[in-house]
Parts: sequence; structure tokens; C-alpha cells
Amino acid sequence: GAGVSQSPSNKVTEKGKDVELRCDPISGHTALYWYRQSLGQGLEFLIYFQGNSAPDKSGLPSDRFSAERTGGSVSTLTIQRTQQEDSAVYLCASSLALGWGGSSYNEQFFGPGTRLTVL
Amino acid sequence: GENVEQHPSTLSVQEGDSAVIKCTYSDSASNYFPWYKQELGKRPQLIIDIRSNVGEKKDQRIAVTLNKTAKHFSLHITETQPEDSAVYFCAASSSYGQNFVFGPGTRLSVLP
Repeated sequence: GAGVSQSPSNKVTEKGKDVELRCDPISGHTALYWYRQSLGQGLEFLIYFQGNSAPDKSGLPSDRFSAERTGGSVSTLTIQRTQQEDSAVYLCASSLALGWGGSSYNEQFFGPGTRLTVL
Repeated sequence: GENVEQHPSTLSVQEGDSAVIKCTYSDSASNYFPWYKQELGKRPQLIIDIRSNVGEKKDQRIAVTLNKTAKHFSLHITETQPEDSAVYFCAASSSYGQNFVFGPGTRLSVLP
């Protein structure tokens, strides 16, 4: 079946512009995560959504970052007034559920990422 | 909040040798510990995971051990092969998915 998809794959923007990144999770997955990965670095948690619960926004680095998930499926990550330090690969992941049901429940399936370059 | 440390940051081994990557975590409420492998230019993929009521789990050449008292867990790869070369990330979370924190990663190079 289809995996997690993200668009665009690459985005080049000018400093100060707003950008929107899209994530289409695997159908039926209730949990959705956004991460940021700078070149050669680890995975920085940004935000996650679980079903209809309020999202955990604890990882968002500033109020320029926001995300929403419509209808429990597609999610968009918006970065306002982009800065050069926002340049990174933004990865989205989805999983079947929270709670223990074995690896099949908790395994995060990652999308291919969006490479954002802020000039 | 949770903090996950990972060592070493880089590791080179000869093909056929074993590789061990160690992680420590800070939050005693963490109960789920997955390991992800990220090959160059590709997305991370789960390779093995362990939950807090198990001390060890093995899957072919890969094993993970967990010491809850010391708050550390390790990835063991035996009989390494060149295709094992990648960046490996450990992670810890509570409630089997919430508060997900990744370690900084270990770049493993398996030399032929």
C-alpha cells in the first residue's frame, strides 16, 4: 500500500517568506509526527497529533511554526517569516496508534521529507 | 523532559565484527525504546524495539538490551555487513508513543 508522502520534496524560499509543507500519512494511522533534521544531525521532534486529542506542540522552536491536521488525516506544517536557520529536512511520520500493541502499532513510518532551503 | 544520549557518535568496524551502540535516557517513565536505521539520503526505518517489561530482544543479527535500573539500552549487531553502514538512532518514549525523543545518532561504517 501507499506509504507516507510529503510535498514538496524540495522548497527554496527567501528569508521572510512563509512556507507550507504537506504530509499525507498512511490511511488509518491515527498518530502523526513532524520532525526536523538538519544536515548530519539527529531528529528534532516538533509536534505530534493523536486522533482528536489536542496536539503536543512542545517541540515547536518558536511561534513562527504551526501545524494542523484536518480530518485526522493530512497535516500541514507552516513556517512564517522563514529564517536561514530554518533550513533543514522536515520529516513527517505516522503510526497506527499509541498504546502498546506491538511494533505494528508503534512503528513510525517516515515520509521522504521536504528539504527546505531559506536563502 | 526526556533527554536521550547516544554513544559513540561514529563507529567503524571490520566486516564480520560486532558493533555496539549505547543510549541512556533520563525519564524513568519512558517505557518504549525503538531503534531506527537511516541510510544515506533515505528515510529512517524501524529495525527493532523493546518495551520496558523485557530485558532483551533479538531479531537475527540484531539484538537490543535494556537496563531499566541504570536507564540505558544498547543495540548489538553481530556479523556486520557493508549494508549495515548507516546512521542509527535510538529513541525513548512514555506511554508507548508519546513524548518521543531521539538520540543524536551513531554513524556506523562497516569496512569490507
